[in-house]
Amino acid sequence: GIQVEQSPPDLILQEGANSTLRCNFSDSVNNLQWFHQNPWGQLINLFYIPSGTKQNGRLSATTVATERYSLLYISSSQTTDSGVYFCAAEQTGANNLFFGTGTRLTVIP
Amino acid sequence: DTEVTQTPKHLVMGMTNKKSLKCEQHMGHRAMYWYKQKAKKPPELMFVYSYEKLSINESVPSRFSPECPNSSLLNLHLHALQPEDSALYLCASSQYYGGYEQYFGPGTRLTVT
Repeated sequence: GIQVEQSPPDLILQEGANSTLRCNFSDSVNNLQWFHQNPWGQLINLFYIPSGTKQNGRLSATTVATERYSLLYISSSQTTDSGVYFCAAEQTGANNLFFGTGTRLTVIP
Repeated sequence: DTEVTQTPKHLVMGMTNKKSLKCEQHMGHRAMYWYKQKAKKPPELMFVYSYEKLSINESVPSRFSPECPNSSLLNLHLHALQPEDSALYLCASSQYYGGYEQYFGPGTRLTVT
């Protein structure tokens, strides 16, 4: 299956700081999603973004499909942003979603 | 409404028990999925149902038995599990199978004693 790598694995931020999370994938994709997993395990959909740029409040994401990477930007971070951020990609023609190993974000007051 | 529901939230079972996990969606989605997530690891796909038919079984042991009684409901029947099967079990759905956004339920946290 497709290889999905995320960096950094861990990130500690002061409240109010900005951050960029990166996701590299090994093949062309027809699905690329970003999720936030809260402490109770719920996977919350952030973006469905196989290509292009999207914004939702303090969060935005960009996928450059031709260069096989996606970026998630978090601005003015809040303590409630803490948790694990997963990127997941589905290889074109293969139909199964593969998750990266995640970035664990801790926002301190 | 993009809600996927799962019951129970928590389950503790012995190795000789039989139990079932339930997942429901009312978004009219025709693809449903079971994922398994061990602590501090990413979710891994177990099964895919497309139009109520099993499309993918990712080499899952037979002690896990999926069932899709109708387009809104997905079950996972558990029998003779091992302690290493303790994990968070996540259900997801998408409009169709392949290339569509997946929506996840809150999960069932399973402990096998």
